Amino acid sequence: GENVEQHPSTLSVQEGDSAVIKCTYSDSASNYFPWYKQELGKRPQLIIDIRSNVGEKKDQRIAVTLNKTAKHFSLHITETQPEDSAVYFCAARTSGGYNKLIFGAGTRLAVHP
Amino acid sequence: NAGVTQTPKFQVLKTGQSMTLQCAQDMNHNSMYWYRQDPGMGLRLIYYSASEGTTDKGEVPNGYNVSRLNKREFSLRLESAAPSQTSVYFCASSEAGGGAQETQYFGPGTRLLVL
Repeated sequence: GENVEQHPSTLSVQEGDSAVIKCTYSDSASNYFPWYKQELGKRPQLIIDIRSNVGEKKDQRIAVTLNKTAKHFSLHITETQPEDSAVYFCAARTSGGYNKLIFGAGTRLAVHP
Repeated sequence: NAGVTQTPKFQVLKTGQSMTLQCAQDMNHNSMYWYRQDPGMGLRLIYYSASEGTTDKGEVPNGYNVSRLNKREFSLRLESAAPSQTSVYFCASSEAGGGAQETQYFGPGTRLLVL
């Protein structure tokens, strides 16, 4: 079946460093790729998304890149801050249903002051 | 706007008991979803409703039923709870399925423990 693999599962960085989280997807017809941030005990919240007709999108300190050929997309966070500490989930919309998202297993990011 | 709301926030059940998780949204969204979140497994789709009057299975529908009561409300029912259904359940909604309206907004979650 369709799946999304996410790496790494945990990531520890120093404040001010960059963080990169990578995802690969299996459904070549996927056309929408959101990233969600989930703080401890809270709901997932969308932080950025990208569609298959775009290679890169940036919003202040966060950016997402998409390589359709390799079926690979990544989240980049620059100048990390302690409040960036959270679990990050990538997702891909499948072609087999109405706005159905397949999520990666998540990356726990810890930013140390 | 409250966005997406869920009740209850926390529930303990005994094996074999039944219960219904409630979800409501006030954003006039057409589509609604139920996910479960387990450690190390991300979010998995249980059921979804593309529009009022329709429901479809997701990745892990076994042991669950859903009802799209009206445009605002989408409930998830466990008929005979099992320990494997211990999880955090999230409801989500989106305006529509394509274009710029596909963003899914999540509720605060229901933490369910089945003993």
